[in-house]
Amino acid sequence: DIQMTQSPSSLSASVGDRVTITCRASQSISSYLNWYQQKPGKAPKLLIYAASSLQSGVPSRFSGSGSGTDFTLTISSLQPEDFATYYCQQSYSLITFGQGTRLEIK
Amino acid sequence: QVQLVQSGSELKKPGASVKVSCKASGYTFTSYAMNWVRQAPGQGLEWMGWINTNTGNPTYAQGFTGRFVFSLDTSVSTAYLQISSLKAEDTAVYYCARHGYSSSWPDYWGQGTLVTVSS
Repeated sequence: DIQMTQSPSSLSASVGDRVTITCRASQSISSYLNWYQQKPGKAPKLLIYAASSLQSGVPSRFSGSGSGTDFTLTISSLQPEDFATYYCQQSYSLITFGQGTRLEIK
Repeated sequence: QVQLVQSGSELKKPGASVKVSCKASGYTFTSYAMNWVRQAPGQGLEWMGWINTNTGNPTYAQGFTGRFVFSLDTSVSTAYLQISSLKAEDTAVYYCARHGYSSSWPDYWGQGTLVTVSS
């Protein structure tokens, strides 16, 4: 099974900050990496698919990069509605999620 | 618009069974596979597997074989998750989520169904 490791597990930041979350796969997954945002009591929302493609309707302050085993999600200027938990997910071989990164207000 | 609407919360006793439904609308049901994802209280997302909506063939993730069954009723565009011999550790929110056969990433998700197992 492919393991996904996110870092950090939690992060405190302020509105307007630039934030980067990383995700590492236990083996190469090409660009089969997706990012989700989840707010409390809500279903996950797809932000980025295929490592760097922005899902329709998602603000352009979200971006993704990487290939192979190392990937990043960047939020260029944090907005109040961005405080949530973020998950990476590989879909190269079945599906595996990272453990999540909780983004909190500083 | 695409919608996945799941059945309501369930409270079950240990040893009982539960069947969660996920009704799709706004797209051709058989054009997308259906995934199931579990989220225990305060925990992360755990992929349970998926079902091919054309063939009905399920694929189960490790840890979700035996007591977990995915099924379909394509006549009403609905996917089902049945869990038997419920245990306290099955207490979780269960989500359905579709993915395209050529895309592999779940894009639309149901609202989630809370299953609580308690005596």
